[in-house]
Amino acid sequence: GAVVSQHPSWVICKSGTSVKIECRSLDFQATTMFWYRQFPKQSLMLMATSNEGSKATYEQGVEKDKFLINHASLTLSTLTVTSAHPEDSSFYICSARSVGGANEQFFGPGTRLTVL
Amino acid sequence: KNEVEQSPQNLTAQEGEFITINCSYSVGISALHWLQQHPGGGIVSLFMLSSGKKKHGRLIATINIQEKHSSLHITASHPRDSAVYICAVRGSNYQLIWGAGTKLIIKP
Repeated sequence: GAVVSQHPSWVICKSGTSVKIECRSLDFQATTMFWYRQFPKQSLMLMATSNEGSKATYEQGVEKDKFLINHASLTLSTLTVTSAHPEDSSFYICSARSVGGANEQFFGPGTRLTVL
Repeated sequence: KNEVEQSPQNLTAQEGEFITINCSYSVGISALHWLQQHPGGGIVSLFMLSSGKKKHGRLIATINIQEKHSSLHITASHPRDSAVYICAVRGSNYQLIWGAGTKLIIKP
């Protein structure tokens, strides 16, 4: 199956710094990428949907100025957590939807963010 | 009532046992995903189903669209299969509705 990678797989940062997480579709083009967040022992929650070349659509309650999403190409989307705080510590997962064909959706392995 | 219900919530079994995890949903879907999440958090996509049955190694996933039900089976279970298994259904707009997950522990 198609592969979606995320980088980094884990990151520890100081409060107040910004962290960028990359999501790449390695062997297919993705018009749409989705960003999810998972708190400990909870289910995943959709944060935003990003379409290549346009602004991301954020779910209710997700601060777009806090979680900046850029989807500049058909194979790369980035999530930047700005001025991170300890409450932003979470597991962030992206998924990508392939162009045409079966329009399948593939998941990245996730990025664990810990803000000290 | 949640739109996606998984059962059981927790399952402990002995190595070698046949494992079944169930997922029922109440909404119209275009596809259903089964994912595996290990204790470290890493997510692995196991299957995406829209009909019928898929098999990969010791894993089998089935879906019955009429009954709005899917099952994930693990044959000859092994301790390395211990993980949380998550069912997620996809609506027509690609939004996913997630089940709460099933925590599986396989004892040697």
